Amino acid sequence: SYELTQPPSVSVSPGQTARITCSGDALPDQYVFWYQQRPGQAPVLVIYKDTERPPGIPERFSASSIGTMATLTISGVQAEDEADYYCHSADSTGTSVVFGGRTKLTV
Amino acid sequence: QVQLVESGGGVVLPGTSLRLSCVASGFSFSDYGMHWVRQGPGKGLEWVAVIFYDGSKTYYGDSVKGRFIISRDNSKKTVYLQMTNLRADDTALYYCARVWQRGGFDSWGQGTLVTVSS
Repeated sequence: SYELTQPPSVSVSPGQTARITCSGDALPDQYVFWYQQRPGQAPVLVIYKDTERPPGIPERFSASSIGTMATLTISGVQAEDEADYYCHSADSTGTSVVFGGRTKLTV
Repeated sequence: QVQLVESGGGVVLPGTSLRLSCVASGFSFSDYGMHWVRQGPGKGLEWVAVIFYDGSKTYYGDSVKGRFIISRDNSKKTVYLQMTNLRADDTALYYCARVWQRGGFDSWGQGTLVTVSS
């Protein structure tokens, strides 16, 4: 079955830039979405269609997707950004949804 | 505002069945595809199933295929997840999520907890 691979953890100091990667063979053909999940809360969509930011999401959240690698970038990281982050995409057929394995961002 | 409220979770024995419900409000339910996503204790998100806005198509994750059925009743603004032959590894918080028209899941419920244990 199709998999998306994320690093288990990323650690940065406040004010630095955090980068979280997501790799998958079908990423050249499928959009990537990113979610933030704080403890005890439901996930929140922070990036859609590879690079777009939904209304209400701070500008410090940005993303790219090149080839089989997508990257979520958080610039000027704040303490409130400490959370789990997931990428989400689909397999090459578009009929199976996949989440990455979670990256814990520690600030 | 958009609201999704799941219910139907509980503690069940292995091999038994359970039906989850997710009631939507605050938007035109019949215009949106809906998904179920689960999260085991201390684990990551796992996609379970999707149903198209009109119920015409459904797809399932490999781990639940043949055991779970997703359905919807647009008149009741409700999406269901019928789960059969439950196993211990089905233990999780089950979320319903709306497919945003721009893509991705833009609204999630608070989840309903399913525990499968003898």
